Amino acid sequence: GEDVEQSLFLSVREGDSSVINCTYTDSSSTYLYWYKQEPGAGLQLLTYIFSNMDMKQDQRLTVLLNKKDKHLSLRIADTQTGDSAIYFCAESWGYQKVTFGIGTKLQVIP
Amino acid sequence: DVKVTQSSRYLVKRTGEKVFLECVQDMDHENMFWYRQDPGLGLRLIYFSYDVKMKEKGDIPEGYSVSREKKERFSLILESASTNQTSMYLCASSLDQGARGYTFGSGTRLTVV
Repeated sequence: GEDVEQSLFLSVREGDSSVINCTYTDSSSTYLYWYKQEPGAGLQLLTYIFSNMDMKQDQRLTVLLNKKDKHLSLRIADTQTGDSAIYFCAESWGYQKVTFGIGTKLQVIP
Repeated sequence: DVKVTQSSRYLVKRTGEKVFLECVQDMDHENMFWYRQDPGLGLRLIYFSYDVKMKEKGDIPEGYSVSREKKERFSLILESASTNQTSMYLCASSLDQGARGYTFGSGTRLTVV
């Protein structure tokens, strides 16, 4: 079935760039998403990319999509302590069907 | 600010109790979803609804039911709570086919003792 994989943990120093990676299996994915979850809260949609795009930039966030390798990444420039959270990759592959990864915990060291 | 509101942040219930988790959205979204989130397992879809009085099973519907009598409200029901239903429950909603992503509530942490 559909699967989305992410590494579990990433640690970076404040001010550095963070890159969170994700791989997915469904070649018919239409949209891919990044969500952020802060402690004790629900998920917040950060950004999304349509599958025919290679890149999307939104302020400090850059999303790169390599459709051939089924690889999605989220780059956060100038990472701040407020970026510490769990980041979920997700893909939609049909009507209302979304598969989430298990999340990457980003720790930002001051 | 658009919102998905879950009625309780924390809930403690006894084994065998019938439990209702309520979710309300103010965005006139057609689609609503219930997920549970467990460490190491990520988000798993329990049920979803794409219209009033309509419901579809997700990946783990056993032990749960849902109700959608009004467009803005989607309720998750644990018919007879068990300890393995201790979890974080997340409600979400989306417009159309959800291409622009979901809006999530803050979650309800349910503990069954």
